[in-house]
Amino acid sequence: NAGVTQTPKFQVLKTGQSMTLQCAQDMNHNSMYWYRQDPGMGLRLIYYSASEGTTDKGEVPNGYNVSRLNKREFSLRLESAAPSQTSVYFCASSEGGGRVGQPQHFGDGTRLSIL
Amino acid sequence: AQKITQTQPGMFVQEKEAVTLDCTYDTSDQSYGLFWYKQPSSGEMIFLIYQGSYDEQNATEGRYSLNFQKARKSANLVISASQLGDSAMYFCAMRASNTGNQFYFGTGTSLTVIP
Repeated sequence: NAGVTQTPKFQVLKTGQSMTLQCAQDMNHNSMYWYRQDPGMGLRLIYYSASEGTTDKGEVPNGYNVSRLNKREFSLRLESAAPSQTSVYFCASSEGGGRVGQPQHFGDGTRLSIL
Repeated sequence: AQKITQTQPGMFVQEKEAVTLDCTYDTSDQSYGLFWYKQPSSGEMIFLIYQGSYDEQNATEGRYSLNFQKARKSANLVISASQLGDSAMYFCAMRASNTGNQFYFGTGTSLTVIP
């Protein structure tokens, strides 16, 4: 019953440090997503991957990079962390191929603080 | 462009009463799906209910129902017999076939159930 697993759950960084958030899903989904959630702003899409081998920018991609390592794994990297990137990060997955009836399944989130 | 609007930042409801959370959407696509998610204070995103644009019946899942009015482009969530555990943020989301792998989220409604 793992679903979507994110690591770590919490992280504190100093400005300028780098780190990678990991995400893995075991539902054989084609599409994977990274969102950030800030108070009062709902979910904002950072990057998504429609299928293995493809990635696309979302609404707020600046300062981030992603890697779709294989069908299961989709990582998010902060190369030089900034305080404005303090947020809760969610990974999600869904069936791909434009199947509008399929929901997203979310990980539990990573709370990231940048000092 | 796809857009989801939730106009109620916060709502209060008495325990055991019903409550309606509003959601309007904008899309030029004929085929789309509408979703509601619950986010309790613990932070995880929980999928609640789905409505397809071609569905003739309103969706129901236990105490949750979706009041779908296609001509008005609204997809309101109705929670019957509210419980204290229903206190949470609720997000409306849409997936359309012409942007099939992207989901669009509203800013959410915070629901508080009063004992």
